Amino acid sequence: QSVLTQPPSVSGAPGQKVTIPCTGSSSNIGAGYDLQWYQQLPGTAPRLLIYGNTNRPSGVPDRFSGSKSGTSASLAITGLQAEDEADYYCQSYDSGLRGVLFGGGTKLTVL
Amino acid sequence: QVQLQQWGAGLVKPSETLSLTCAVYGGSFSTYYWSWIRQPPGKGLEWIGNIYHSGSSNYNPSLKSRVTISVDTSKNQLSLRLASVTAADTALYFCARIRGGSYAVDYWGQGTLVTVSS
Repeated sequence: QSVLTQPPSVSGAPGQKVTIPCTGSSSNIGAGYDLQWYQQLPGTAPRLLIYGNTNRPSGVPDRFSGSKSGTSASLAITGLQAEDEADYYCQSYDSGLRGVLFGGGTKLTVL
Repeated sequence: QVQLQQWGAGLVKPSETLSLTCAVYGGSFSTYYWSWIRQPPGKGLEWIGNIYHSGSSNYNPSLKSRVTISVDTSKNQLSLRLASVTAADTALYFCARIRGGSYAVDYWGQGTLVTVSS
């Protein structure tokens, strides 16, 4: 099934750690395709945070890290800051869709 | 520095055709996939389709019957046409660059809000 599942929302206090899970299936994450994470602020284009499961593009703080295991992946954000409040999306290739598949998105609230 | 600059009509009447164009500045046009992605107001991201510089394309099955993505390699541009639009096609539309292998979307256009309304 061509779906990546994320929780609608997560929250955390400044300085804390939060984790955002992304659950897929055998046609995407489980098939070994790379998993990416994006951050989107309101009214702007998404920004690539993590690519190839664990890699950070230049300029992304090391507070952001990605992991992947089996049919699931997760984004961890440590040392939460107010500026991290945004929507976060996971993304992979899906063999059923034969294209790019995004998760439904998770809204991070910094308390 | 890679930049994607997009333009097109922001208001389209129901049953008509949505048309957007995206120009790519910097980087190589011929070694990446180029894509259109949309986001309805208050909702998540939806992949519309990909095209390679050769013209080979793939579309989201949910839109395939109405979508055409094309490239003009002489101008480093890609275009989107979505036919027979309805209010459900109202969205922020992005052009984007996709890396082969990882399928990571590493560069995005600024987005164009297209509203379908009479």
